Amino acid sequence: AQSVTQLDSHVSVSEGTPVLLRCNYSSSYSPSLFWYVQHPNKGLQLLLKYTSAATLVKGINGFEAEFKKSETSFHLTKPSAHMSDAAEYFCVVSGSGTYKYIFGTGTRLKVLA
Amino acid sequence: EADIYQTPRYLVIGTGKKITLECSQTMGHDKMYWYQQDPGMELHLIHYSYGVNSTEKGDLSSESTVSRIRTEHFPLTLESARPSHTSQYLCASSEPGTTSTDTQYFGPGTRLTVL
Repeated sequence: AQSVTQLDSHVSVSEGTPVLLRCNYSSSYSPSLFWYVQHPNKGLQLLLKYTSAATLVKGINGFEAEFKKSETSFHLTKPSAHMSDAAEYFCVVSGSGTYKYIFGTGTRLKVLA
Repeated sequence: EADIYQTPRYLVIGTGKKITLECSQTMGHDKMYWYQQDPGMELHLIHYSYGVNSTEKGDLSSESTVSRIRTEHFPLTLESARPSHTSQYLCASSEPGTTSTDTQYFGPGTRLTVL
């Protein structure tokens, strides 16, 4: 069975400070992991994905995430937040041989001026 | 930006009406999906398709139905809408590849309100 837990439903940071959005997963298989972002009234956009290659994954807009098998975590980070980063972020796990995406409940990021 | 479109973007209708939510993609993807998203909740898969004339129900029970007559088109139909159907519906498609590593591309969603 697979599951994903986003540890914070809301995160607030000041513009220019680092961003950390936390995600833990559970999977019986070697997982593929994704981070998506959803801006208001828009569809979900892929930020980055991990598929058993390098454990540090770089994505778009300066985001990156590190796959830590020992901690079953896939936290999303960005060194310096921008106002345009304010959005909802979803962590997703997908297991070997399955079509299924399992979504977390989302983390709403607020960026303060 | 992915080439996947949903219409209408917003819909407010009365109970008992039949509605069809449209989803089209121009990427030639074989796999398509419908998700239901409620505020503060994860997305739940309600239908998926691996190709023309192939449709399956997802994890979340839904009274909706889907069809896949053309590769690019994956409409979702509610025969008789009820207030419990009020939600956001997201359509997605994915490129060919090993299923677990597929990237899904999402449309902008249809926000449905049933009065």
